[in-house]
Amino acid sequence: AQRVTQPEKLLSVFKGAPVELKCNYSYSGSPELFWYVQYSRQRLQLLLRHISRESIKGFTADLNKGETSFHLKKPFAQEEDSAMYYCALSGGSNYKLTFGKGTLLTVNP
Amino acid sequence: DAGITQSPRHKVTETGTPVTLRCHQTENHRYMYWYRQDPGHGLRLIHYSYGVKDTDKGEVSDGYSVSRSKTEDFLLTLESATSSQTSVYFCAISESSYTEAFFGQGTRLTVV
Repeated sequence: AQRVTQPEKLLSVFKGAPVELKCNYSYSGSPELFWYVQYSRQRLQLLLRHISRESIKGFTADLNKGETSFHLKKPFAQEEDSAMYYCALSGGSNYKLTFGKGTLLTVNP
Repeated sequence: DAGITQSPRHKVTETGTPVTLRCHQTENHRYMYWYRQDPGHGLRLIHYSYGVKDTDKGEVSDGYSVSRSKTEDFLLTLESATSSQTSVYFCAISESSYTEAFFGQGTRLTVV
């Protein structure tokens, strides 16, 4: 079975502070990991995926297979980063795309 | 935005009635998914499809059925709606299980 765990429901930081949103996964094969973001009154959209190894809007995420983690980081949070963030896992051959429960990030001025 | 639309966008229905939600895509993507979004539960997979007439259950499939008779349409049916099925339902599409999934705008369903 595949599972995604986001331990923090809520995360509040001040503008300019570093932010880390945690994601742990459980999967027996080689997963594909994603971070999706949902801004207020907008559709869910892809933020980044581990296979592309890119930085989007200053966010990065590193896949740690030993710790089965895919934490999302940004060195200096901005108010416009306030949103719901979802970590997601695709198991590849079984076609499932499984999401965590999400973390609501609030960046205070 | 990717060509994906959900209908209806809002619906209120009575307990015990059947309800069908439609997801329509113009991207010719192979994979289609139905999720429900509830506070504290995030996005939970209901059913998904990996081709025409190829569907499988997700983690919360009880009380739901799906059909995909053509590439562009994926229908979600609540066979006999219950109050616990009050939720926001999202459809998503993707080319493969390794590529970006595109989401619809959601359907807010209220069962009274």
